[in-house]
Amino acid sequence: QVQLVESGPGLVRPSQTLSLTCDVSGDSINSGAHWWSWVRQHPGKGLEWIGYIHYSGSTFYNPSLQSRATISVDTSKNHYSLNLNSVTAADTAVYYCARVVVGGYDTLTGYYLGYFDFWGQGSLVTVSS
Amino acid sequence: EIVVTQSPATLSVSPGERVTLSCRTSQGVSNNLAWYQQKPGQAPRLLIYSASIRATGVPARFSGSGSGTEFTLTIGSLQSEDFAVYYCQQYNAPTAFGQGTTVEIK
Repeated sequence: QVQLVESGPGLVRPSQTLSLTCDVSGDSINSGAHWWSWVRQHPGKGLEWIGYIHYSGSTFYNPSLQSRATISVDTSKNHYSLNLNSVTAADTAVYYCARVVVGGYDTLTGYYLGYFDFWGQGSLVTVSS
Repeated sequence: EIVVTQSPATLSVSPGERVTLSCRTSQGVSNNLAWYQQKPGQAPRLLIYSASIRATGVPARFSGSGSGTEFTLTIGSLQSEDFAVYYCQQYNAPTAFGQGTTVEIK
């Protein structure tokens, strides 16, 4: 069974960088069969896609977060990470990692199109001084 | 950017009732649409992908339909464990979720 587990600080100061890691078991990131994503959920709100990464290092980001988000992968540890810089209180959320099943490719934008079949349990990150 | 709109925001239903949730996209997304169920304190769970294909282990009372810009999730006979928030996700580029529909006990 595929399992994803998020880890990282639960409290981040404003203007600092939020850093989270997702450890994957039951699947190998470098098999290349899936992409690997981050999704967040503000308290009491809906879901917001942040971005996803392939084992090759290729990434796609939500345009609204692209300037601040960086997703990286370490295939030797079978995990991937999210860095979100210059955080404010508006970045307080539960952050989920999720595996992406690719359902197609958009030739116009170069995006790989996919849905999320396995999710981590979520990691609450609060931005506060 | 494709906007995803779910309706209604909240549904109050009794166990055993048939439920239909709506998801509309601002541009056509073919059948690149998924549905998720989320219970309090839990991660979302994939129910449906490609608009109408049930994910592994999902009960047959859940069904999805639609294509283009109009999609529906139907729960044939609501069970107690089905009270939750349901999200649709269009996975054209870039992907986006709807704001969710809460199915609550009447």
